[in-house]
Amino acid sequence: DIVMTQSPDSLAVSLGERATINCKSSQSVLYRSNNKNYLAWYQQKPGQPPKLLIYWASTRESGVPDRISGSGSGTDFTLTISSLQAEDVAVYYCQQYYSDLRTFGQGTKVEIK
Amino acid sequence: QVQLQESGPGLVKPSGTLSLTCAVSGGSISSTNWWNWVRQPPGKGLEWIGEIFHSGSTNYSPSLKSRVTISVDKSKNQFSLELTSVTAADTAVYYCARTYCSDGNCYKLFEYWGQGTLVTVSS
Repeated sequence: DIVMTQSPDSLAVSLGERATINCKSSQSVLYRSNNKNYLAWYQQKPGQPPKLLIYWASTRESGVPDRISGSGSGTDFTLTISSLQAEDVAVYYCQQYYSDLRTFGQGTKVEIK
Repeated sequence: QVQLQESGPGLVKPSGTLSLTCAVSGGSISSTNWWNWVRQPPGKGLEWIGEIFHSGSTNYSPSLKSRVTISVDKSKNQFSLELTSVTAADTAVYYCARTYCSDGNCYKLFEYWGQGTLVTVSS
């Protein structure tokens, strides 16, 4: 299984400040034949299902604000919220879809400081 | 816009069978997508359970494979989950979800989700 490890488990950021979440996979999720990283990010607010934010490590889903961005390659990835807004309070999950057994990180809770 | 809606009993007895259905609207279950079940124990993270294609082909998580069956009913545009021999560890919110497809290719990430349904295993 590919193990996904996120850090930190939680973080508190002031409104308007940057939030950075890291995700590390136990093996590379870069598919050499198409040079794509099989890594997605989701946002989950209380009582709601996860919402797809980012796929291919850095491609924003339609409607996702451009203050939210993804980066990284191979085994190390980052989700950045450049200017935290109140509506960004949520738990964020990374997920690899490189292997048949798709796996998620444990989640990172983002709160307002 | 595709919508998914889970339904089924909210309480299942230990050693019993959990049965849920996901109704698909706004799109055909016979499309090129795969249809998935994902669960989330209260206060915990996400776990993929398995998926089905409209042809009936399935893939399951190895850790649950011996207890899981996913089936599809094209006439009703829905798919279902059965999990046998449940224990308290199977208490979770169960989500149905559709994979992301682009340019005729589908990938194992989840573009559309149902709202989820809490299933509690307790006597």
